[in-house]
Amino acid sequence: QKEVEQDPGPLSVPEGAIVSLNCTYSNSAFQYFMWYRQYSRKGPELLMYTYSSGNKEDGRFTAQVDKSSKYISLFIRDSQPSDSATYLCAIHMEYGNKLVFGAGTILRVKS
Amino acid sequence: NAGVTQTPKFQVLKTGQSMTLQCAQDMNHEYMSWYRQDPGMGLRLIHYSVGAGITDQGEVPNGYNVSRSTTEDFPLRLLSAAPSQTSVYFCASASGRGFGQPQHFGDGTRLSIL
Repeated sequence: QKEVEQDPGPLSVPEGAIVSLNCTYSNSAFQYFMWYRQYSRKGPELLMYTYSSGNKEDGRFTAQVDKSSKYISLFIRDSQPSDSATYLCAIHMEYGNKLVFGAGTILRVKS
Repeated sequence: NAGVTQTPKFQVLKTGQSMTLQCAQDMNHEYMSWYRQDPGMGLRLIHYSVGAGITDQGEVPNGYNVSRSTTEDFPLRLLSAAPSQTSVYFCASASGRGFGQPQHFGDGTRLSIL
C-alpha cells in the first residue's frame, strides 16, 4: 500500500464548477500537508500549506485536513480553464525532511 | 529572483553514457533534493542534501550519484544510463533543513535514454 493515495483522474468539469480533489494517507506521523499545482512541462508550484486539522482558505482555494480519518482535500470554487493542471498532494512527517507525494490528479476545466 | 534553475531542459542519451544534471538555487536554502517523475508514479525522491557536504539517499537512489560542495549547487550524476532512467527529473530546495518546509521546484530536465 502506498503511503499516500490519490485518484489520478482525469477529472473533467465545466467552467464555474466546484472541484474536489482528495488524498488519503496511512502514516499518522504525517503532520504537514501541501498541495502543489503542476502545469504541463513545468515544475510543481506550491498552492496550499497547512499543518492542522480543519480548513484553510486562499481565494478560490480551500484546503481541508481531517487527521482522524487521514484524509485531505483541496476544493476549487468557480473553476476556470486556467486551473487545468495536475494537482499533487504532498505530506511531511513532523520530524522528517522528506516529502511524500501522491500520484497527482489531472484536472481539465472546459470553457 | 531565479529560484531553482535546472539545466539542460532536454537531453537524449545512449545506453551506457554518463551525464550530469545541473541544479542551482539562489535562495540560500540548506535543503536540496532530486526527484524523478514517471506517469502514474508521482514524484519519487532520489537523493537529498541538508547542507554542503551532507547527502543522503531517498526512495530510488540506484544508478545515481550526488555531491554538495556549495549551498547553491546540487548536481545529479548518471554513471551509466539505462532505459529505465528515462524520466523527468526535478530539483527542489527548501529553507532550513527541510523539516516541515514546503519545497520549491525547478522546471525539470526531460531525459530520454535510447
